Amino acid sequence: AQSVTQLGSHVSVSEGALVLLRCNYSSSVPPYLFWYVQYPNQGLQLLLKYTTGATLVKGINGFEAEFKKSETSFHLTKPSAHMSDAAEYFCAVSRGGYQKVTFGTGTKLQVIP
Amino acid sequence: DGGITQSPKYLFRKEGQNVTLSCEQNLNHDAMYWYRQDPGQGLRLIYYSQIVNDFQKGDIAEGYSVSREKKESFPLTVTSAQKNPTAFYLCATHTQGVDLPNQPQHFGDGTRLSIL
Repeated sequence: AQSVTQLGSHVSVSEGALVLLRCNYSSSVPPYLFWYVQYPNQGLQLLLKYTTGATLVKGINGFEAEFKKSETSFHLTKPSAHMSDAAEYFCAVSRGGYQKVTFGTGTKLQVIP
Repeated sequence: DGGITQSPKYLFRKEGQNVTLSCEQNLNHDAMYWYRQDPGQGLRLIYYSQIVNDFQKGDIAEGYSVSREKKESFPLTVTSAQKNPTAFYLCATHTQGVDLPNQPQHFGDGTRLSIL
């Protein structure tokens, strides 16, 4: 079985501040991990993905995530928040191939000017 | 442009009525999925199909039906048996291959269904 836990359904940061969105996973096999972003009334867009190899993954829009096996975490960060980053973010885990993708419940990011 | 088209953007259902949500893709992806999104619950899988003329139930298939007669199309019917259909519905596609390991799912822009 696999699962994803996103800590904090709502996160607020000031514009220019560090963004940290937390994701912990459980998986019986080495996982493939994803972060998606969703703007209001739109679908999900891929921010970044982890497969194997380098544990620090860089994505679009200045986001990056670090895979920590010992902590079973895949937290998403961005050094400096921009107003356009306000959206909902989803962490997801898969076993690869056509195996089921399990999504977290999402974290809404608010950016305060 | 390659992509996934969901229609309509907004849909209203009357009591006892079946409604069909459309999902069309020109990405040439083999697998297609339907998810339901409710506030605070993330995405829940309704049905998926990995090949034409074949599909499987997801976690919350009751009250829904699908068909996969063409690779490009995967319509979802919300039947009158679904007592709480108000939600945001997302269609996704997926492909895999020896030279394309662990590809992410691609999503349409969704259909918001409400009860009148």
